[in-house]
Amino acid sequence: ILNVEQSPQSLHVQEGDSTNFTCSFPSSNFYALHWYRWETAKSPEALFVMTLNGDEKKKGRISATLNTKEGYSYLYIKGSQPEDSATYLCAPKGGNQFYFGTGTSLTVIP
Amino acid sequence: GAGVSQSPRYKVAKRGQDVALRCDPISGHVSLFWYQQALGQGPEFLTYFQNEAQLDKSGLPSDRFFAERPEGSVSTLKIQRTQQEDSAVYLCASSAWVREDQPQHFGDGTRLSIL
Repeated sequence: ILNVEQSPQSLHVQEGDSTNFTCSFPSSNFYALHWYRWETAKSPEALFVMTLNGDEKKKGRISATLNTKEGYSYLYIKGSQPEDSATYLCAPKGGNQFYFGTGTSLTVIP
Repeated sequence: GAGVSQSPRYKVAKRGQDVALRCDPISGHVSLFWYQQALGQGPEFLTYFQNEAQLDKSGLPSDRFFAERPEGSVSTLKIQRTQQEDSAVYLCASSAWVREDQPQHFGDGTRLSIL
């Protein structure tokens, strides 16, 4: 079992602010890490798949970095918009399984 | 639509009843995962299929839980003699192949309530 921690648990920001979240995981036996966005009443949507130490991925205003040696990944949102409001889940993979964190709930206030 | 489809969306059952939850993955997807999400928690792994083979069922919480994918497409998660602690959202996800760089595509989930 991988102990996955996400922080903060919840976050309220003003529209236009930039923000970032952290996903921490054991650095041993690392295979990959996925980030998902989960909006209320919808299904989780894949944001990034990261596999290599030092990976940096970007999709529009959202980007992510990965440090497998120290066991963390950061998700950044630049210029937050109300439509970014969602829960952001990270899921490192160990063996056949993905181990999800409890997520960071982001609310962007117009 | 071409996404992952789960049914029913909501299920209410009395304690002791058996329930069956269905997952229809994206056509051609090899990998299929079942997760259980309790209130306030992240999804927890239940079981994993590669085509029709159940390669990992280590997350199934008890022998009351059973999953199958007989033809390598549709999967059913069955819970026998349901208990109140089985109340949760059950998510199904599929991915195109078995590689770590393949994202999972999730269904909307089945919300199970045991009375």
